Amino acid sequence: GQQLNQSPQSMFIQEGEDVSMNCTSSSIFNTWLWYKQDPGEGPVLLIALYKAGELTSNGRLTAQFGITRKDSFLNISASIPSDVGIYFCAGRSASGAGSYQLTFGKGTKLSVIP
Amino acid sequence: DGGITQSPKYLFRKEGQNVTLSCEQNLNHDAMYWYRQDPGQGLRLIYYSQIVNDFQKGDIAEGYSVSREKKESFPLTVTSAQKNPTAFYLCASSMGTGNEQYFGPGTRLTVT
Repeated sequence: GQQLNQSPQSMFIQEGEDVSMNCTSSSIFNTWLWYKQDPGEGPVLLIALYKAGELTSNGRLTAQFGITRKDSFLNISASIPSDVGIYFCAGRSASGAGSYQLTFGKGTKLSVIP
Repeated sequence: DGGITQSPKYLFRKEGQNVTLSCEQNLNHDAMYWYRQDPGQGLRLIYYSQIVNDFQKGDIAEGYSVSREKKESFPLTVTSAQKNPTAFYLCASSMGTGNEQYFGPGTRLTVT
């Protein structure tokens, strides 16, 4: 099946710093989604990307759909304590039997030091 | 308020018992999904349904069953055949299977 590598697995940053994380896949995707999950809660959709090269912002968050269609990036600018949580990428295959299904990365756990 | 509700938030069962997790949505979405999440892991698809009275197995369907009798509801039964049922279960829905998915708050099931 498809595999998604999400990195880094975890990161500790100072409040006010910028954050970058990324996902790479073994196959071409036609959709990339970024979610944030707080402990004990369901993931919340942050940004959806549907076109190669697309760059989309949501407040301090910016995500990009890689040109190769095999990767995506999420940046958070000027981090604040409430950014703490686990960030997941999810992608949908461009074709084949898996085209209905989202594949999820294992998450990036973000900790913000005040 | 539109959204997805899951109940209960916490569920405890003895080994050998079947248990049903509830998922309801009032977003008028056609597609619904059940995922399982284990610590440090991504989400794994158990079952999904594109439309009422139709559902398909996901990657880890063994030991689980579902029904989709109403558009708003997609209950998941964890049967005694599921070898390792303790996990966090997440329900999601989308307009169609090609659209972005929205998640409920989850149910944490503990089986002892």
